[in-house]
Amino acid sequence: GDSVTQMEGPVTLSEEAFLTINCTYTATGYPSLFWYVQYPGEGLQLLLKATKADDKGSNKGFEATYRKETTSFHLEKGSVQVSDSAVYFCALSDHGTGNQFYFGTGTSLTVIP
Amino acid sequence: SQTIHQWPATLVQPVGSPLSLECTVEGTSNPNLYWYRQAAGRGLQLLFYSVGIGQISSEVPQNLSASRPQDRQFILSSKKLLLSDSGFYLCAWSVGWHGYTFGSGTRLTVV
Repeated sequence: GDSVTQMEGPVTLSEEAFLTINCTYTATGYPSLFWYVQYPGEGLQLLLKATKADDKGSNKGFEATYRKETTSFHLEKGSVQVSDSAVYFCALSDHGTGNQFYFGTGTSLTVIP
Repeated sequence: SQTIHQWPATLVQPVGSPLSLECTVEGTSNPNLYWYRQAAGRGLQLLFYSVGIGQISSEVPQNLSASRPQDRQFILSSKKLLLSDSGFYLCAWSVGWHGYTFGSGTRLTVV
């Protein structure tokens, strides 16, 4: 079945450090891939998405490229800020299974000044 | 514009009491609606989803139930809460595969 595996946290980085959060997926159909962010005490917000292979999603300095050959959608940011501290969820929507969404377990990021 | 409202934001309920959480969506028609639970320090667990009025699919057997009395209204209920029902409950909607839009969540503490 479909699933998403993302790197376990927590991750602690200094401000301006480079961030990578790994995400790999398994899907039977033709998935779209997403990254969601959850700030403390809030719901989830869509951060970026990619709907087909080789697409790059980007937002707020974050980027992720849909790699079909490695079934990956790693999240990156060149220079993190304290305000990026949050939990990040990788997710997929498999069009072949009725658009049900599958989420990773989340990766907690703390950025220290 | 499309918005999702979820309430209440926080709730403290005694064990054995009933529960009703409500979620409404504006600005879209015939959305898929979802209830997720996020237990402390854990990921998201899909509880229920609905593709239309009166259509409810349950992902996890438990003492919770869901109903969709109107196209843009989704309700999560329980007749008798358990301590293990504590968590952060999130409502979400989607149309097609453009991604979920989540509500702001309800933090439920069962005491």
